[in-house]
Amino acid sequence: SQQGEEDPQALSIQEGENATMNCSYKTSINNLQWYRQNSGRGLVHLILIRSNEREKHSGRLRVTLDTSKKSSSLLITASRAADTASYFCATDNTDKLIFGTGTRLQVFP
Amino acid sequence: DAMVIQNPRYQVTQFGKPVTLSCSQTLNHNVMYWYQQKSSQAPKLLFHYYDKDFNNEADTPDNFQSRRPNTSFCFLDIRSPGLGDAAMYLCASRGLADNQETQYFGPGTRLLVL
Repeated sequence: SQQGEEDPQALSIQEGENATMNCSYKTSINNLQWYRQNSGRGLVHLILIRSNEREKHSGRLRVTLDTSKKSSSLLITASRAADTASYFCATDNTDKLIFGTGTRLQVFP
Repeated sequence: DAMVIQNPRYQVTQFGKPVTLSCSQTLNHNVMYWYQQKSSQAPKLLFHYYDKDFNNEADTPDNFQSRRPNTSFCFLDIRSPGLGDAAMYLCASRGLADNQETQYFGPGTRLLVL
């Protein structure tokens, strides 16, 4: 399977703490994207990092990409209860997204 | 607002009874996708259209078919649903974000097979 893997599978933190999720993938990529999914809902695009970029910021989100290790991380700073969701990385190669296994984040108030 | 719309949000069907799920997009994107997502799993691509060109994933069962009559609409037909086909079905279209193409997802249709 070409599917990427994410760790941890589940993460529970308190509001205000930072949350870090990691993603590993297997193939070469054009870019890597992170999506958020609330329970029972569709996927919402969060951030995209190109294969020639190493780090990107968007609000409270920070994404890193290491193509030599085929890995990426998503950092959510100063987490809020509303950040509770599943987070998926997805690699983009040939017009198709291949999703990682996801991290379920629970932020307690 | 421009978006990807899926109807219905919840669909109940009987074992073996054909069912059709609908997706429309007002984004005028030329690429559309159908994904299947089972509980606590990652979305799995079933097939995609580039304009009218249909691209089936190698491991998509023959039970799953798709139609795209025009740019805006795309349908997923499940000819004989089995219990294992109960899942969330996500539709997406592909367009520009941050100067690079990415996918915009609909809210999904949750299919229950009785």
